[in-house]
Amino acid sequence: RKEVEQDPGPFNVPEGATVAFNCTYSNSASQSFFWYRQDCRKEPKLLMSVYSSGNEDGRFTAQLNRASQYISLLIRDSKLSDSATYLCVVNPYSSASKIIFGSGTRLSIRP
Amino acid sequence: DVKVTQSSRYLVKRTGEKVFLECVQDMDHENMFWYRQDPGLGLRLIYFSYDVKMKEKGDIPEGYSVSREKKERFSLILESASTNQTSMYLCASRGTSGNANEQFFGPGTRLTVL
Repeated sequence: RKEVEQDPGPFNVPEGATVAFNCTYSNSASQSFFWYRQDCRKEPKLLMSVYSSGNEDGRFTAQLNRASQYISLLIRDSKLSDSATYLCVVNPYSSASKIIFGSGTRLSIRP
Repeated sequence: DVKVTQSSRYLVKRTGEKVFLECVQDMDHENMFWYRQDPGLGLRLIYFSYDVKMKEKGDIPEGYSVSREKKERFSLILESASTNQTSMYLCASRGTSGNANEQFFGPGTRLTVL
């Protein structure tokens, strides 16, 4: 089983729609969680951290479910510019040098 | 503004050549990483370093070596390039204080081995 698993997509949704995707992780002791965004032919960049209580940043909401070992990302009122690959990232230990990247979920927003 | 730079955006080499990929970061970060990214396989960690002269194997170190003689610089070496090493190579760095969770990536080097 992979340490971090994501549905690769692609998710193809119309502009203005709400879209959500999940990511599961295998190590129950994992400490911290993130979503990164990667545009086509660009490097990944941090989108947002995921906190235990859930957190929101504008149209983006991230949630963590420790019992079921998954994190989710919800995008409301999607824009064309949201088209990208979204990478789920897990830090398995608080002092780890190495963080674990999922393979990414590709999102395409159509006009 | 954090910057991670890589020596080349595009590189074409021949099978058997020795290849050096250079990465420099300007944030005094302790941790540096080399990944390769291939369609359908995501980011795969080749090697990482948590301090000068220290290195750890990642998930796919075979065919690669690394060097970290200075804190800001982390080099990836392909001793004898092969066609299955054609890929996008991404360098990254991350600190251990402040916002130690954010990992910054360079723009990538697209390597083609003929």
